[in-house]
Amino acid sequence: GAVVSQHPSWVICKSGTSVKIECRSLDFQATTMFWYRQFPKQSLMLMATSNEGSKATYEQGVEKDKFLINHASLTLSTLTVTSAHPEDSSFYICSSGLSYEQFFGPGTRLTVL
Amino acid sequence: GNSVTQMEGPVTLSEEAFLTINCTYTATGYPSLFWYVQYPGEGLQLLLKATKADDKGSNKGFEATYRKETTSFHLEKGSVQVSDSAVYFCALSLERYGQNFVFGPGTRLSVLP
Repeated sequence: GAVVSQHPSWVICKSGTSVKIECRSLDFQATTMFWYRQFPKQSLMLMATSNEGSKATYEQGVEKDKFLINHASLTLSTLTVTSAHPEDSSFYICSSGLSYEQFFGPGTRLTVL
Repeated sequence: GNSVTQMEGPVTLSEEAFLTINCTYTATGYPSLFWYVQYPGEGLQLLLKATKADDKGSNKGFEATYRKETTSFHLEKGSVQVSDSAVYFCALSLERYGQNFVFGPGTRLSVLP
């Protein structure tokens, strides 16, 4: 099946700093990628849809100025958490769909101190 | 709207016990149905899927049958192992590339030796 990678797998940062998370499709071109957030013991919550060459579409309640998404190529989407705060600590997962199936990255665990 | 309901966990079983995790859905169209598994600290992995009524998905001893008449996709395994301990998510997809991909809340399974 298709492979989606994420980098870094975990990151710890100080409150107020910005963190960039990369999502790459390794063996297919992804015009659309999805970013999810998962709090402990909860399901995935879709944050935004990343579209190659155009603006991302954010779900209701997700601050677009705080969670900056850039989809500059057909294999790379980035999520930048700006001015991170402890409440942003979470597990961030990206995915891309191919033929009625989504392939998920391994996730990035963000801890904001 | 579209939604997925799963039985509440956590589910705790002894090794070699029979497993059933119930999943029901509501959908505005004709969905594809999926079971994903998430091991501790990892991203989601596709376990099995079914794209039309009466299809049976199977993988690693797990099975689920797409029941359109009962709008269900229950996950079963005849004999669980300790290594099956994980969180299991039922999900549906209505769109080709994953838009409207809806997850259930997840069911945590713990298998004791």
